[in-house]
Amino acid sequence: EIVMTQSPATLSVSPGERATLSCRASQSVSTNLAWYQQRPGQAPRLLIYGASTRATGIPARFSGSGSGTEFTLTISSLQSEDFAVYYCQQYNNWPALTFGGGTKVEIK
Amino acid sequence: EVQLVESGGGLVQPGGSLRLSCAASGFIVSSNYMGWVRQAPGKGLEWVSVIYTGDSTYYADSVKGRFTISRDNSKNTVYLQMNSLRAEDTAVYYCVRDLRWLQQGLDYWGQGTLVTVSS
Repeated sequence: EIVMTQSPATLSVSPGERATLSCRASQSVSTNLAWYQQRPGQAPRLLIYGASTRATGIPARFSGSGSGTEFTLTISSLQSEDFAVYYCQQYNNWPALTFGGGTKVEIK
Repeated sequence: EVQLVESGGGLVQPGGSLRLSCAASGFIVSSNYMGWVRQAPGKGLEWVSVIYTGDSTYYADSVKGRFTISRDNSKNTVYLQMNSLRAEDTAVYYCVRDLRWLQQGLDYWGQGTLVTVSS
């Protein structure tokens, strides 16, 4: 099983600032990696797939990068609605999918 | 508009059974991989199961032998039959459309249904 590790667990950022979230895979997942946003009380929402492609309707301030075992989600200028928990997930190794433990982005 | 609507959650005693339903609209479930992901209270996301277009099914080790995923094409609905439930199965269960075969992740999620296993 591929283990996904996210860091940091919590990120404190002021509105308008940049946030950088990391995700590491225990073995290469190529670019078969997705990022999800989960706001309190809501279902997760797909943000990024293929490591760097924004899903439909996702604002350009969200960007993803990386390949192999190291990945980054960047939010260029945090808006109030961006304070949430973010999960990475690999879909390279079938059939099981694995998620990272999440990074909570909170208001500083 | 694509929608996934789960139902069937509730309180059940340890060792009991429950069947979750996921009614899809806006697309055809039989033409897609469909799955379930769960989230224990205050915890992260855990993949549970998937059913492929060819009817192959797969499960997380934690539920293998106890849970069964299926679909009814005439109702455009996916199910998760959960037997021999344990306290650690307590979670919100989300139905998802799984686009891994297009290398696009889980693009649609239902609102979730809460399963509580407790005596």
